[in-house]
Amino acid sequence: GQNIDQPTEMTATEGAIVQINCTYQTSGFNGLFWYQQHAGEAPTFLSYNVLDGLEEKGRFSSFLSRSKGYSYLLLKELQMKDSASYLCAVLDSNYQLIWGAGTKLIIKP
Amino acid sequence: SAVISQKPSRDICQRGTSLTIQCQVDSQVTMMFWYRQQPGQSLTLIATANQGSEATYESGFVIDKFPISRPNLTFSTLTVSNMSPEDSSIYLCSVLTGESQPQHFGDGTRLSIL
Repeated sequence: GQNIDQPTEMTATEGAIVQINCTYQTSGFNGLFWYQQHAGEAPTFLSYNVLDGLEEKGRFSSFLSRSKGYSYLLLKELQMKDSASYLCAVLDSNYQLIWGAGTKLIIKP
Repeated sequence: SAVISQKPSRDICQRGTSLTIQCQVDSQVTMMFWYRQQPGQSLTLIATANQGSEATYESGFVIDKFPISRPNLTFSTLTVSNMSPEDSSIYLCSVLTGESQPQHFGDGTRLSIL
């Protein structure tokens, strides 16, 4: 079966750095997406990785290792508005998006 | 990215009734999808809306309960039929403009059934 694992919940301090991990086992791989979802709102696209390595976009970076079936989302200089759920999703060989359950990130002052 | 308008944004419905949710995109898109997200859960794909043909439903979802229309490349509807409290959820439409492009979401419809 297809499976994506992320921690259920993480807590971090304002101004700090947090890394949210995602491991996956899917039938084929055509890319990995990270989405941010604030409570009561729709998911918004953050990043896309299809090749190994680090993609940096401002305070957010995303890393991919295809051989390990592993990705992480790194958030720097955390702000209170970063409190949200972060969803990892993998595009499988049929170009179907497989979603993780999401990681709820709580930022404390 | 495409601008997606989803209506209604929320509704409270009586058991046994039906509600149709609309999703309008400001440009022609390759694919449109309908998801359900129950409280505290991740996204569950209901179906892929195919232009000019019947939607492709995921396991556990059937056309009689969730009929979908997609008359053109910019518009789709999802109907939640014969609603019960278990159908209380957020329903989201998303669009895909290219094969390895991210899906972009409408604002969602928050549905409560009494």
